[in-house]
Amino acid sequence: NAGVTQTPKFRILKIGQSMTLQCTQDMNHNYMYWYRQDPGMGLKLIYYSVGAGITDKGEVPNGYNVSRSTTEDFPLRLELAAPSQTSVYFCASRLRLVSYEQYFGPGTRLTVT
Amino acid sequence: QQQVKQSPQSLIVQKGGISIINCAYENTAFDYFPWYQQFPGKGPALLIAIRPDVSEKKEGRFTISFNKSAKQFSLHIMDSQPGDSATYFCAASMDAGGTSYGKLTFGQGTILTVHP
Repeated sequence: NAGVTQTPKFRILKIGQSMTLQCTQDMNHNYMYWYRQDPGMGLKLIYYSVGAGITDKGEVPNGYNVSRSTTEDFPLRLELAAPSQTSVYFCASRLRLVSYEQYFGPGTRLTVT
Repeated sequence: QQQVKQSPQSLIVQKGGISIINCAYENTAFDYFPWYQQFPGKGPALLIAIRPDVSEKKEGRFTISFNKSAKQFSLHIMDSQPGDSATYFCAASMDAGGTSYGKLTFGQGTILTVHP
């Protein structure tokens, strides 16, 4: 099992550009999450999904969109990138009703200039 | 009401010492309290977790102490080692009934440095 994988590892965007952060898990987990991590702020939930076709907003969803067409993939879309979206983004997954543990990917470091 | 407050922001401990990190929460509906460990350039990984029906949980050198009436919980690392140097996050979620879908609210993080 590769676990949770994220691409790219690093990316620099110009203000106003768009991009998609990819997340894939091979553990057949139902639940998937996107967090952003800013220095001294902990991790904040952006969006989450409880299964294919079902997504919902987290604490800080503005400026982001998600989709979940398969169990494995949960891409995060940034439209019109802004400097405030400079952050490290983590994808996580969890198997419902078996364990409360969330498994995190290695992260994507995004800089918007 | 969803906040989890963590302290200290940073902690320096000598090898063999005890590291203590504290967290406080407001929402009494929280029923799952994990601690995550994060090394530089990596994603967080679950270290240890506790449910509010027990006051303490120990796994090796790591212990969670939980005080439900004070709405506080803490991580104790005994015999701290340089390899424990990392960022530690406390978190909380509401899992009873399965309606919160495991959404975690994280504390701000503590950077632990263990000197040899």
